[in-house]
Parts: sequence; structure tokens; C-alpha cells
Amino acid sequence: SQQGEEDPQALSIQEGENATMNCSYKTSINNLQWYRQNSGRGLVHLILIRSNEREKHSGRLRVTLDTSKKSSSLLITASRAADTASYFCATVFYGNNRLAFGKGNQVVVIP
Amino acid sequence: EAQVTQNPRYLITVTGKKLTVTCSQNMNHEYMSWYRQDPGLGLRQIYYSMNVEVTDKGDVPEGYKVSRKEKRNFPLILESPSPNQTSLYFCASSLAGGPGTGELFFGEGSRLTVL
Repeated sequence: SQQGEEDPQALSIQEGENATMNCSYKTSINNLQWYRQNSGRGLVHLILIRSNEREKHSGRLRVTLDTSKKSSSLLITASRAADTASYFCATVFYGNNRLAFGKGNQVVVIP
Repeated sequence: EAQVTQNPRYLITVTGKKLTVTCSQNMNHEYMSWYRQDPGLGLRQIYYSMNVEVTDKGDVPEGYKVSRKEKRNFPLILESPSPNQTSLYFCASSLAGGPGTGELFFGEGSRLTVL
């Protein structure tokens, strides 16, 4: 099945720095969602961006969507140690009401 | 508190011994789904349900069964577990329309080991 692919796969940054992750996909989407997973825990929804939207914000999170390049980015500003987690992008493709996940992006924020 | 509850959270079993992982949500969601998470493979959908008595296969349904007799419950059944079903399993739910219209709410996961 078509899935989002995150890049980079692993990221290590200092507390206070910004973290940027990218996600690419292959076919037209209905929406794209970002989730966070703390080690061994359930996934938590962060942001949903629809295909007709280009940017959304939620607190320290900023998500962009470029449908012409079939890509999205997640920016976490002023990172904190508590942001250490795996981040997944997931896509819902047109004509398909299923959420397909990428393999995830591990972010480590060093205090 | 709005939540998705899975049981058991941890289980070690042996090949061929039937088991059921229960999932219950208290948010009156129509859509429910099961995923498995494996290292290097991310999350893959097993089955999903748009509403009561409506279920459909995901990407990796082989070896699994589901049922949706009530809106709140969506059990995952492994009739004859095999070692390749050792995984971390997640149940998720969403409002009507499923992920095409909104976010998924996930349970805390059930770690299954099949010896």
C-alpha cells in the first residue's frame, strides 16, 4: 500500500533547537496527519492537514503541505526534552478511507 | 475520561493457542481499526470497521479475525497464533467517516509474544 515516508529517520538535537521532519508520499491524498509515539506507548494525534490546506499551526508545531511535491514537513520549535519521541506521518488517499503510516522518525532532544 | 482500552497489555502464548485481544472505546465512535507495529516496518493495518457489523481487511489481515457486534467493542482474534504474529498491537477509533474526516484515537497497545 502507499505510505508516507519520513526523512530523516533519526534526529538528535539540543534542547531549545528546532526540529524539522519531512514526509513524502506517492499518490493524491485526502489528508495527511502527524502522530507522536513515546517509547512503547500509544500514538497521539498532533495535527491533521487537508489537501486544500498549505500550513497549520498548533502550539510549537507547524505543519506544511506541498501537494505538487507530494510532501509535508513537521517543525517543532524550541524543542524540549519531553519532545523526545517517534513521529509518524500518515496519509489518507482519495477513494480510500484508510490511514497508512510511514515508518516513523525518531527524535532525541538532549537536555 | 475518553479512551480506547485494550486488554491484555502483555501476553506470552504458544503457537496454536487461540487468543483474543479486546478493544473498547467510550467515545461513541463509529470507526475502529487494528494495527500491528513491527521494527523497521512501521504500523500496518490489519482490519477496520466503519460501523457495527461492517468490517473490512487492511494490509495484513492473514491469520486474524475481527467482529463488530457492538459499537464500543472491536476484538481481534488470533485463531491459531504463530511466531510471526509476535508484535505490538494497537486498536484505534475515530468518529464517523474514519480517518478521512478526522484523527484516530489509539489505545496503549498490547504486546504479544508467540513462542
